[in-house]
Amino acid sequence: GAGVSQSPRYKVAKRGQDVALRCDPISGHVSLFWYQQALGQGPEFLTYFQNEAQLDKSGLPSDRFFAERPEGSVSTLKIQRTQQEDSAVYLCASSRGGQVQYFGPGTRLTVT
Amino acid sequence: KNEVEQSPQNLTAQEGEFITINCSYSVGISALHWLQQHPGGGIVSLFMLSSGKKKHGRLIATINIQEKHSSLHITASHPRDSAVYICAVRYYTDKLIFGTGTRLQVFP
Repeated sequence: GAGVSQSPRYKVAKRGQDVALRCDPISGHVSLFWYQQALGQGPEFLTYFQNEAQLDKSGLPSDRFFAERPEGSVSTLKIQRTQQEDSAVYLCASSRGGQVQYFGPGTRLTVT
Repeated sequence: KNEVEQSPQNLTAQEGEFITINCSYSVGISALHWLQQHPGGGIVSLFMLSSGKKKHGRLIATINIQEKHSSLHITASHPRDSAVYICAVRYYTDKLIFGTGTRLQVFP
């Protein structure tokens, strides 16, 4: 596809459930980023990959959050035992590395 | 204190007005990005700059590295410019640190 895609676009989870959010970056983009955006706030960095290597995971809020990009293309952000404070829009972006980042439409997660 | 401060937080303008949004950051950076986010929509990159000035259509972005300050200007504003404008900085890794955004509403 032409842009970054994310699925699902919307996810409702009961507190305690595990969720998996998928990101398909632009073909050929080596860098992939995950951000979390709470309502009314700017995005906050979660983690970043260069190809399959996770170079920075300093923004992951707890060990319930885990991200992978095993083949250097598609990435999955997994949240275990979801809590209400995990409710947010999760944004994925990709770039050629050091260049403009292209953002996906986001996945809106609501934990009830 | 946020590393990236934007002002104003909210801005209302009449169609045709000249608009300025400001961004300040606290330490040296490798690049600064201006992004646009429509309600319920994704984020679009407007500019990436590390010095000087860039122009695209009615949008102009400037940066002063010594003062650690950037501005985004919109000339001849239009209701379709209504969106949240976000400043983000990149240090010496690729991750972005975002400001909280400026919500702009342009009325006809």
